Amino acid sequence: RKEVEQDPGPFNVPEGATVAFNCTYSNSASQSFFWYRQDCRKEPKLLMSVYSSGNEDGRFTAQLNRASQYISLLIRDSKLSDSATYLCVVTTGSARQLTFGSGTQLTVLP
Amino acid sequence: DTGVSQDPRHKITKRGQNVTFRCDPISEHNRLYWYRQTLGQGPEFLTYFQNEAQLEKSRLLSDRFSAERPKGSFSTLEIQRTEQGDSAMYLCASSLGDRGSYNEQFFGPGTRLTVL
Repeated sequence: RKEVEQDPGPFNVPEGATVAFNCTYSNSASQSFFWYRQDCRKEPKLLMSVYSSGNEDGRFTAQLNRASQYISLLIRDSKLSDSATYLCVVTTGSARQLTFGSGTQLTVLP
Repeated sequence: DTGVSQDPRHKITKRGQNVTFRCDPISEHNRLYWYRQTLGQGPEFLTYFQNEAQLEKSRLLSDRFSAERPKGSFSTLEIQRTEQGDSAMYLCASSLGDRGSYNEQFFGPGTRLTVL
């Protein structure tokens, strides 16, 4: 079993749609939680951190449920430029290395 | 450009050859990480340096792999006797912080290795 599991995808949605991604993690000792975005053949870039209280950044809302070890990302009013792979990420260990899910590919269609 | 840089960006080699990659982190960052990403997967942690000390190594890092960060600045990752299974994108990331704390890791553009 992978340490971070994500929706398999791919997701193909029309512009303006709302799309939700889910993720579960197995290591209860995970300390920090993130969503990263990776464009095709590019490096991953931090999209947002995720907190138990929930946090919002414009059209993006992230939520963490530590009890069920579940992380979510909601994208509202999706844009063509949101097309990318979204990676669910947790940190573990004293090195705070990142443990990534396999990613979910999103394509926003005109 | 003051971001993380990696060299080369692409490397094609024959099975059995040795390859070396270089990573230059953001200048004030004391932490440096190496990850490997294969097609359709997220990056996987390989190793971590705090300044010049290599403090963590993944079990993915077989004895054919060695990494160094001799002066706490740039780092090299060497793969000896390459195998076709080593074909992947090798990503370097750096961050600033003390051991036990988390600060954002910034990724370089990666080195894409193809082993024929």
